[in-house]
Amino acid sequence: KQEVTQIPAALSVPEGENLVLNCSFTDSAIYNLQWFRQDPGKGLTSLLLIQSSQREQTSGRLNASLDKSSGRSTLYIAASQPGDSATYLCATPLGTGANNLFFGTGTRLTVIP
Amino acid sequence: NAGVMQNPRHLVRRRGQEARLRCSPMKGHSHVYWYRQLPEEGLKFMVYLQKENIIDESGMPKERFSAEFPKEGPSILRIQQVVRGDSAAYFCASSPLTENYGYTFGSGTRLTVV
Repeated sequence: KQEVTQIPAALSVPEGENLVLNCSFTDSAIYNLQWFRQDPGKGLTSLLLIQSSQREQTSGRLNASLDKSSGRSTLYIAASQPGDSATYLCATPLGTGANNLFFGTGTRLTVIP
Repeated sequence: NAGVMQNPRHLVRRRGQEARLRCSPMKGHSHVYWYRQLPEEGLKFMVYLQKENIIDESGMPKERFSAEFPKEGPSILRIQQVVRGDSAAYFCASSPLTENYGYTFGSGTRLTVV
């Protein structure tokens, strides 16, 4: 069974700071890993999808990396803004053809103006 | 493209009533997934469906819960005889042919059982 852990559970930073969110998984036989953002009372917005053959993906101020051998992924947010405040979730299906996404419990980010 | 549409956004039911949650996948997506998020917990997989077929229901409670994705119309998650512990946010996601394209989630239905 896959277990996905996200550290820290909560993070508070001043505006403009660069920050890193961590995601670790116990079974490295993943097919891809997806980062999501969830605003309070809202649904999930997909941020980045990294295939198992890739090392990183970038979108604007976001950069996600994947190290399958060590069971880790990081989400780097550059020049943080108050609008980045949300809960960030990582999730991965286990193995090719798997349809069951395992989610971490998330990191709640607060960017202070 | 309207994305994954879920309705209602909020649903209040008394104990013992039935709850019906609807999900219309993104255009061109043939796979539908339901997840549940209990208060202060992470999202947990419930069921995976394709048109007219339940592919994986390993995360679905054995009793009172059922799901369908008919040939025409939205996917339905049905909860019979709801109890307080069913109060949660229920999210639907869809994907194209295979999951390697990633998942798109709807805004969820927040069920409150009173």
